Amino acid sequence: ELKVEQNPLFLSMQEGKNYTIYCNYSTTSDRLYWYRQDPGKSLESLFVLLSNGAVKQEGRLMASLDTKARLSTLHITAAVHDLSATYFCAVTTSGTYKYIFGTGTRLKVLA
Amino acid sequence: DTAVSQTPKYLVTQMGNDKSIKCEQNLGHDTMYWYKQDSKKFLKIMFSYNNKELIINETVPNRFSPKSPDKAHLNLHINSLELGDSAVYFCASSQIQGLAGFTDTQYFGPGTRLTVL
Repeated sequence: ELKVEQNPLFLSMQEGKNYTIYCNYSTTSDRLYWYRQDPGKSLESLFVLLSNGAVKQEGRLMASLDTKARLSTLHITAAVHDLSATYFCAVTTSGTYKYIFGTGTRLKVLA
Repeated sequence: DTAVSQTPKYLVTQMGNDKSIKCEQNLGHDTMYWYKQDSKKFLKIMFSYNNKELIINETVPNRFSPKSPDKAHLNLHINSLELGDSAVYFCASSQIQGLAGFTDTQYFGPGTRLTVL
């Protein structure tokens, strides 16, 4: 069964600092997604990574995928308070139609 | 225009009652999902329909019954509500691509916060 783990589960960081969130998955996957969820809100799609070595960047967030290591990272550069949210990775495998979500990482950026 | 909408947004009810949550998407997607998010923020898939056909049916008590009257709507009916059913329920939709069945990006509704007293 496909399992997805994220670490850390909780992350408190100062504004201006850099940090990385890790997403490990247990079996071969075709696509990897990153989502953001603000408190009390819905999930918003950030990135979709389709192949080994894929890198996507949007503002202070950069996501990458290493399919051989079954690892994706979400790197935060010079964090700002507005990035405080819960970040989820999710993986899919063709033909299963199912997303398996990671445990989520609650990020709090302190001013 | 709201892409994926759910009603109601909040639902407070007594144990033993029966309730329904409705979901509609106007994205033209062929697949819709129900997720449960517990107090620890864990997201668990419950059901999925593709073109009105049930394709995912996870280990969920049979008190939960989904219904999809058409591919733009997916409803969730819950019988005999229990305290443990309290959670946020999200509806989502996506498009299945290609013969191999790749699931594209999912778009989520605003969620329904269910509180069972």
